[in-house]
Amino acid sequence: EAQVTQNPRYLITVTGKKLTVTCSQNMNHEYMSWYRQDPGLGLRQIYYSMNVEVTDKGDVPEGYKVSRKEKRNFPLILESPSPNQTSLYFCASTTLMRGYSEAFFGQGTRLTVV
Amino acid sequence: KQEVTQIPAALSVPEGENLVLNCSFTDSAIYNLQWFRQDPGKGLTSLLLIQSSQREQTSGRLNASLDKSSGRSTLYIAASQPGDSATYLCAVWSGNNRLAFGKGNQVVVIP
Repeated sequence: EAQVTQNPRYLITVTGKKLTVTCSQNMNHEYMSWYRQDPGLGLRQIYYSMNVEVTDKGDVPEGYKVSRKEKRNFPLILESPSPNQTSLYFCASTTLMRGYSEAFFGQGTRLTVV
Repeated sequence: KQEVTQIPAALSVPEGENLVLNCSFTDSAIYNLQWFRQDPGKGLTSLLLIQSSQREQTSGRLNASLDKSSGRSTLYIAASQPGDSATYLCAVWSGNNRLAFGKGNQVVVIP
């Protein structure tokens, strides 16, 4: 089954404690990205990757890091989380074979930073 | 920068009525447009994808139209049911390698 898998689904952490949210896709997609969703602000892109070792900032990259060492994985790293990073996070992927195609989303990670 | 607007932000309809949800975007140079459904606190479920060369797409009770020149898309849901209650999100791919989202239409179907 084609899918994007995020882990963990729920996470409560303390300010300053480094954490990683994993994202994996099994569709051999070139493009992967991370979004955060906040009430009243909608979905905003954090980082995206066009392929292995190619990443770029989205609209709200401050406080986040990413890496793309393998095509299937695109982890999101919060090196020193702060309460304003409490949000619902989504990972997405799509193929670039014929321009941009259907975007597939993970089930989301609800992060609370206290 | 692509801006996507969805109006109305929220609406309630009686069961059985047809739903009409609107999405507008500022830059008509898009690759495609995708409609999603999101239940509260849940993930995004893809409903329909319309390529830039297409005028509409249909899936069951859902029909989405695209007028690229005027920067508009409309999602029609026929004969609405309480199970259609959700937030519907419109998103467009444009030239800056980003999928830009509207803030959604929150729909309540009243039994």
